Amino acid sequence: TQTVSQSDAHVTVFEGDSVELRCNYSYGGSIYLSWYIQHHGRGLQFLLKYYSGNPVVQGVNGFEAEFSKSDSSFHLRKASVHWSDSAVYFCAASPNNYAQGLTFGLGTRVSVFP
Amino acid sequence: DMKVTQMPRYLIKRMGENVLLECGQDMSHETMYWYRQDPGLGLQLIYISYDVDSNSEGDIPKGYRVSRKKREHFSLILDSAKTNQTSVYFCASSYSNERLFFGHGTKLSVL
Repeated sequence: TQTVSQSDAHVTVFEGDSVELRCNYSYGGSIYLSWYIQHHGRGLQFLLKYYSGNPVVQGVNGFEAEFSKSDSSFHLRKASVHWSDSAVYFCAASPNNYAQGLTFGLGTRVSVFP
Repeated sequence: DMKVTQMPRYLIKRMGENVLLECGQDMSHETMYWYRQDPGLGLQLIYISYDVDSNSEGDIPKGYRVSRKKREHFSLILDSAKTNQTSVYFCASSYSNERLFFGHGTKLSVL
């Protein structure tokens, strides 16, 4: 069984700041990793994913994430946040066998102030 | 149009009543999911459906059942709802496990 940990429950930043959201996973085999964003009152929306290849993956709206096998991590970054980036961000993992669905972390709430 | 539609958006039921949550998708995705989202617990997987009449329990299936008679529709049924089933329920679909498309959610309150 895989687990996903997001160490920060809430992050506060100012517009134009950079932000990094941490995600660590535990799983012994091949794994898909992804990030989703949830704006208030809405469903989750896909940001980016990693399975293999270049450990730095680019997503929508300037987000990128870096996979590290040695650290069992998949941290999400953005160089310059906008007020519209205020949302809850979820890291998710799934094994190579898609029959088990996605396991989500508890989420990190990002508040962006002007 | 790449959309997952959930109905209703809000629902209030009394304990013991039956509840039907509906979900539709227009992408012909084979796999569909039901999750519930609770504060402090994140998203928990209730059921997965791999295609019509091919359903599998997720992590928390107790108290729920599902129905999938058409590829584009996936229903979640609560027979005799309980107060601890008050939650926000999300339906999702995917072509593979790499990316899920989520609906806007149904906020269910069981009184």
